[in-house]
Amino acid sequence: EAQVTQNPRYLITVTGKKLTVTCSQNMNHEYMSWYRQDPGLGLRQIYYSMNVEVTDKGDVPEGYKVSRKEKRNFPLILESPSPNQTSLYFCASSFGGHQKETQYFGPGTRLLVL
Amino acid sequence: KQEVTQIPAALSVPEGENLVLNCSFTDSAIYNLQWFRQDPGKGLTSLLLIQSSQREQTSGRLNASLDKSSGRSTLYIAASQPGDSATYLCAVSPRNTNAGKSTFGDGTTLTVKP
Repeated sequence: EAQVTQNPRYLITVTGKKLTVTCSQNMNHEYMSWYRQDPGLGLRQIYYSMNVEVTDKGDVPEGYKVSRKEKRNFPLILESPSPNQTSLYFCASSFGGHQKETQYFGPGTRLLVL
Repeated sequence: KQEVTQIPAALSVPEGENLVLNCSFTDSAIYNLQWFRQDPGKGLTSLLLIQSSQREQTSGRLNASLDKSSGRSTLYIAASQPGDSATYLCAVSPRNTNAGKSTFGDGTTLTVKP
């Protein structure tokens, strides 16, 4: 089944404890992206990757890191999480090198930073 | 900076009614516009993708139109059903070197009453 998977789905952590949220897609998509969704602020893009070894900042990249060493994986790294990073995180992927096409979303990761 | 607005924020209609959801954007230099559906606590599901060269796309009871010059898109839902209750979001992708970026509206929450 074609899908985007995220792990973990739920995570409670404490301030400053490094964490990684994994994202994997099995559709051979070039493009992948991370978003966060917050009440009243909508869906905002954190980072995106147009292809392997190519990443770029979205609108809210502060406090996050990403890497794209393989086409199928795009992990989101929080080196020192803070309470304001408590959010619902989504990973997405699509075909398209220069321009992305239909985006397919993962199920989301709900993160609580205490 | 691209801004995407969706009005109304919430809409409640009786079952069977035809309805229109609106999406407006400030920068007409877009590559495509995509409509999504999000159920509570779930990820986003793509409904329709309209390329900038297209005027509309249809899928079943859904029809999305695009007027790039006026910066508007509409999602028409025919013969609404309670199962259509969800939040509907639109997102635009730019036609420029920031092709990987996506800007989302805040969504319209639709309730279809039996």
